[in-house]
Formats: sequence, structure tokens, C-alpha cells
Amino acid sequence: KQEVTQIPAALSVPEGENLVLNCSFTDSAIYNLQWFRQDPGKGLTSLLLIQSSQREQTSGRLNASLDKSSGRSTLYIAASQPGDSATYLCAVGGVTGGGNKLTFGTGTQLKVEL
Amino acid sequence: EADIYQTPRYLVIGTGKKITLECSQTMGHDKMYWYQQDPGMELHLIHYSYGVNSTEKGDLSSESTVSRIRTEHFPLTLESARPSHTSQYLCASKGQQAPEAFFGQGTRLTVV
Repeated sequence: KQEVTQIPAALSVPEGENLVLNCSFTDSAIYNLQWFRQDPGKGLTSLLLIQSSQREQTSGRLNASLDKSSGRSTLYIAASQPGDSATYLCAVGGVTGGGNKLTFGTGTQLKVEL
Repeated sequence: EADIYQTPRYLVIGTGKKITLECSQTMGHDKMYWYQQDPGMELHLIHYSYGVNSTEKGDLSSESTVSRIRTEHFPLTLESARPSHTSQYLCASKGQQAPEAFFGQGTRLTVV
């Protein structure tokens, strides 16, 4: 059974810092991996999706990498801003079912302070 | 912006009541999902559907039921709500061509 772990559970940084959020998964047979952002009491907003054949994806100040063999993904946020404060969730789509079912980590709660 | 809607956003209801949480999407996605999320915890898949008249139970056992009579609509029903059902319920959808899952804003349910 796939298990997804995110470290750290919480992170507080000053505005402007570059930061890395980590996601690890136990079963390397994945179809894809998706990073989401969740604001308090809200749904999830998709940030980046990496297919199993890809090594990284970039969108603006965000860069996500994937090392399938070691069961790890990182989300890099450049020049953090207070508006980046949210919980960041990593979700793995399993090979069985073509990535249609996601297994989520518990998230990293990020606070970017002025 | 994803076109997937959940109603109500918040619901406080008494024990024993029957409730239906609504989820609709206008993207023509064939796959739809219900997740349950307790505060500070990960999302757990409770139901999913890969098309009309197709529904399956997810990884987390749930007393709720779902139906998929129309592509765009995937309601979740609790026949008799209990305090243990208090949680946030998130609906998601996914299309054939794109691998990305889109989520609604969630329904925060409190059973008193």
C-alpha cells in the first residue's frame, strides 16, 4: 500500500527566502505526482503535475522535481511571499488504474512572514 | 480556474438527519471523486466514479453512498448523520485527456 510522507509538517520563513518542501513515497511504481496548495477551509488548487517519465516541472516561481527510483519529490519555491502561506500537499497517482486514484501526504503548512 | 462546485460550503445538522452533499462539474470530466479530510490530516478517498452508472468505494470505509446518473453530477448522501461524520468533504474530477485532478471548495460538515 502506497504511503506518502511530507517533511517538514510546518515551516515558517521570512519573506524573500527560497525554500524546499519534501515529499517521499514508499512504492516507486507511480504514474504521476501532483502538488497542490490548500488555503484554510478551502479546496485544493493544483500547482504542478509531473508524469512518471519526467524529472521536473516549472511554473513561475515553483519548480517540482521527481526522483522515482528513490521515492522522492521536492517542491522549490523561489523568493517566497506572504501570499504563498498555505498548506502544500503532495499526491501520488498509482500505476494501477492509470494514475486515476491519488494517495495524499499530510501536507506541509507554510507561513511566510513579512 | 476549475469549474467544479460543491454545495453547501458549510452545514451544521442534527444527529439522525439525512443529508446530501452536492458536487457538479461543467468540464465534461468522466472521472469524479469524493475525499474526506479531518483537520490536519491527509485526504482519504471514500468514493469514485469513472462514468455514468459506475461507482466504487474508495480506500477509506464510509457509511455514505453516491450516485452518478449524469456525467456532471456526483452527489454524496448520508442516510443518518452522526457526530463521527463531522469532517470536510472534498469533491474532485479528472478528464480523459488531462492527467490533472481539479477540486471543489469543499463542504465542511458538522453533526451535533
